[in-house]
Amino acid sequence: DAKTTQPTSMDCAEGRAANLPCNHSTISGNEYVYWYRQIHSQGPQYIIHGLKNNETNEMASLIITEDRKSSTLILPHATLRDTAVYYCIVRVALAGGTSYGKLTFGQGTILTVHP
Amino acid sequence: DAGVIQSPRHEVTEMGQEVTLRCKPISGHNSLFWYRQTMMRGLELLIYFNNNVPIDDSGMPEDRFSAKMPNASFSTLKIQPSEPRDSAVYFCASRVRSGGKEQFFGPGTRLTVL
Repeated sequence: DAKTTQPTSMDCAEGRAANLPCNHSTISGNEYVYWYRQIHSQGPQYIIHGLKNNETNEMASLIITEDRKSSTLILPHATLRDTAVYYCIVRVALAGGTSYGKLTFGQGTILTVHP
Repeated sequence: DAGVIQSPRHEVTEMGQEVTLRCKPISGHNSLFWYRQTMMRGLELLIYFNNNVPIDDSGMPEDRFSAKMPNASFSTLKIQPSEPRDSAVYFCASRVRSGGKEQFFGPGTRLTVL
């Protein structure tokens, strides 16, 4: 799986958008970009994933550059409860319905949302 | 839905003792994962089951670790004998099917080996 690079930490004011970057310059055409987060003392939680197109769900938006070498996770209106470690993961997706899709977690970005 | 259930939530034991961690995946999920998280190594995949069969155990550190999944609703991770370096938080996760998009994680078991 391609390696990802994320900033170690970021700050964001409550109510503002949090934009978390991720570099995955060696990503392959069959690899998805996944984002998980881990709030202190809890298990990781899935946020969103995408292949080529931008994606949006009730939690966040994912913007993937046209060359797919980087992406940005956007939390549109950050709250104090969004303080967590955010993991950007590249995961291979295989055809045939028997995909394993192993997740390899890096160190992630510690996002601190302050009042 | 109760989510992934793990027990115990905390375990303190002495070096050399056997430790058994338990996991109940979400009903209907047929993929199960065991992870270990430490400050030094982060979150590491230990083993992955699909339809109760171990598919990838390349992350299991050594023979002291073993994992079983006797049925679709129960899995165990056993450490025998335990060592202080096994101290970590152990997470279990399940997924609806092989290749499914999202893994659901349990709350974890914090293991301390003295």
